[in-house]
Amino acid sequence: QSALTQPPSASGSPGQSVSISCTGTSSDVGAYSHVSWYQQHPGKAPKLMIYAVNKRPSGVPDRFSGSKSGNTASLTVSGLQAEDEAHYYCSSYAGIKNLVVFGGGTKLTVL
Amino acid sequence: EVQLVESGGGLVQPGGSLRLSCAASGFTFSSYGINWVRQAPGKGLEWVSYISSGGANIYYADSVKGRFTISRDNAKNSLYLQMNGLRAGDTAVYYCARDKGVEGYYFDYWGQGSLVTVSS
Repeated sequence: QSALTQPPSASGSPGQSVSISCTGTSSDVGAYSHVSWYQQHPGKAPKLMIYAVNKRPSGVPDRFSGSKSGNTASLTVSGLQAEDEAHYYCSSYAGIKNLVVFGGGTKLTVL
Repeated sequence: EVQLVESGGGLVQPGGSLRLSCAASGFTFSSYGINWVRQAPGKGLEWVSYISSGGANIYYADSVKGRFTISRDNAKNSLYLQMNGLRAGDTAVYYCARDKGVEGYYFDYWGQGSLVTVSS
């Protein structure tokens, strides 16, 4: 069982927006602004899409955005494109004892 | 171009040992912390271990503490993971992933992964 809770699936049509939630606790997501999101296509390594809740690494389209409220973080993908279909994993710093925790992943389907 | 290339995976019996390596290029290896992250077949990601740029700070997930040892050789631009007492639950693709270098532990570059299978 993963430390952070994500819905197993999400979907949207091309051009639409979709949000994926990531729920933790007051010891991880709620305690720190150190949430990140990773995109993983089948058979590929994960790719960092969002870090520090809402920052985008160079090269990541501004269609991807992040936010956080309390113990729940969210990834929003606007203007869905076919290549956005992938698994998305959230992650949070969880303190010095168990440094980083991940969510179980969400399969995003572009209809 | 930043590159991380894992090697050393394979089939090992329960209770056995294996040593993974990660060869880095395209950046100043000695300036970055590096992590091991694993993914069991068909499952999600699990952080395994972190070592700071100079090796002074090391952390492990509870699931591998006491069995796995992370180390690095900055002269050889290489990261290692010594895995002892392997269990079926350790079966996974093991990725080395560079820490982004800002506060918060983010993994900005990943290798292609090395598959470790623990089975009799």
